[in-house]
Amino acid sequence: NAGVTQTPKFRILKIGQSMTLQCTQDMNHNYMYWYRQDPGMGLKLIYYSVGAGITDKGEVPNGYNVSRSTTEDFPLRLELAAPSQTSVYFCASSVTGTSNQPQHFGDGTRLSIL
Amino acid sequence: RKEVEQDPGPFNVPEGATVAFNCTYSNSASQSFFWYRQDCRKEPKLLMSVYSSGNEDGRFTAQLNRASQYISLLIRDSKLSDSATYLCVGDTGRRALTFGSGTRLQVQP
Repeated sequence: NAGVTQTPKFRILKIGQSMTLQCTQDMNHNYMYWYRQDPGMGLKLIYYSVGAGITDKGEVPNGYNVSRSTTEDFPLRLELAAPSQTSVYFCASSVTGTSNQPQHFGDGTRLSIL
Repeated sequence: RKEVEQDPGPFNVPEGATVAFNCTYSNSASQSFFWYRQDCRKEPKLLMSVYSSGNEDGRFTAQLNRASQYISLLIRDSKLSDSATYLCVGDTGRRALTFGSGTRLQVQP
């Protein structure tokens, strides 16, 4: 079972470049999430989506954009990369947002901005 | 006060020891709790859900204390392979679960 798949696994960007982190899930989950995790720190929620066409901001949305055109895909876009966005990015999905439904995570994308 | 708060550790214990972590939460209406395990530079993985009646899975026991608003994770007979960061996760009334910053466990030979 593929579960949650993230691409790329590693990327180095120059300041000011843009890129899209891809996330797809094959579990037909309604909810999808993007987190970032800085070294030695916890997960911070960037954006989440409760279904196709619906997205909402999390704790640290500045500098990022998302879209959810299908149930399966939830790409994260960085428009003007900044060194502060160097981090590990995790995508996750769940059946619902709460009510005893845990989140399933992808392997992560390690992003460095120089 | 953080919505979900954990002692960052590290907890350094010898193999075979019993170790317990607590995690406090601020929203008394929170319903769902989980413990996740995260190995270095890897994705978090669900370890176990936390039920009101408590639950046990092999060497791992999770409990919920609603009166004092904390959940706990007990690991018996620690193995070297238990070395990881343990994340406390709760439903804080938002649409997404809230993750604690994690407690690092190092089991030593």
